Amino acid sequence: EIVLTQSPGTLSVSPGDRATLSCRASQSIGNNLAWYQQQPGQAPRLLIYGASTRATGIPDRFSGSGSGTEFTLAISSLQSEDFAVYYCQQYNNWPPRVFGQGTKVEIK
Amino acid sequence: EVQLLDSGGDLVQPGGSLRLSCAASGFTFSDHAMSWVRQAPGKGLEWVSVISGSGTSTYYADSVKGRFIISRDKSKNTLFLQMNRLRAEDTAVYYCARLGGTYRYWYFDFWGRGTLVTVSS
Repeated sequence: EIVLTQSPGTLSVSPGDRATLSCRASQSIGNNLAWYQQQPGQAPRLLIYGASTRATGIPDRFSGSGSGTEFTLAISSLQSEDFAVYYCQQYNNWPPRVFGQGTKVEIK
Repeated sequence: EVQLLDSGGDLVQPGGSLRLSCAASGFTFSDHAMSWVRQAPGKGLEWVSVISGSGTSTYYADSVKGRFIISRDKSKNTLFLQMNRLRAEDTAVYYCARLGGTYRYWYFDFWGRGTLVTVSS
C-alpha cells in the first residue's frame, strides 16, 4: 500500500509571496499524482493531474512538478482565495488509500 | 457544464441504513467511472468507493466493504451509495466525484457539493 506524506502540515504565507508544498510517496508512482484545493466549507477542486498538468480553468500561478516519489505544488503569488487546504492524491496504485493528509496554507 | 448534485444525507441511528444519490449532468454519464469520497468533521479526504463507467466493476475501501454498495442508473444519470449497518465513524460529508484519467488510473476531476451523514443515537 502506497502512503502519501504531505509537508508541512501548515504553511504560513503572506499574500503575494510564493508557497511551496511537498508530497512524498512511499514508493514510486511515476507521474500519477494529482493536487486538489479545498476552501473552507467547499468541495475539493482539481488543480493538477499528471503531476504537472493544470486542470481546466486553473490559473498559471499554480504549478506542479516531480516524479517518482517526490512532488511539489508551487503557488507563485498567493491571492486571498488561495488560502485553503491542499491535498495530493496518487493514482498509480489504488484502491485503497489514495490521499495525503493535507497541507493548510494560512495567512501569515 | 458538468454538474453533480449529491443528496440523501441525514441523521441516522447506529446500525441504520441510508441511500445517497448523485444526479449527473453536462457529460456522457456512461463514459466515466464515478466515486464517493468522504470527509469526517475536521479531517482529511477518504476515498470510499468507485464504480466503472459500465457499472460492471466496483471497488470499496476496507472500512466500508461489506456494508456499502455503490451502483449507477444510466437511464437516470444517477449514482447511488447504499449505506448499511452504519457506525458513528461513518459520520462525514459524502462527496460524489467524477473520475478522469484511464481505467484504474483515476483522479477526481469534478466534485459535487457534498451531503452530510450523521450517525448518532
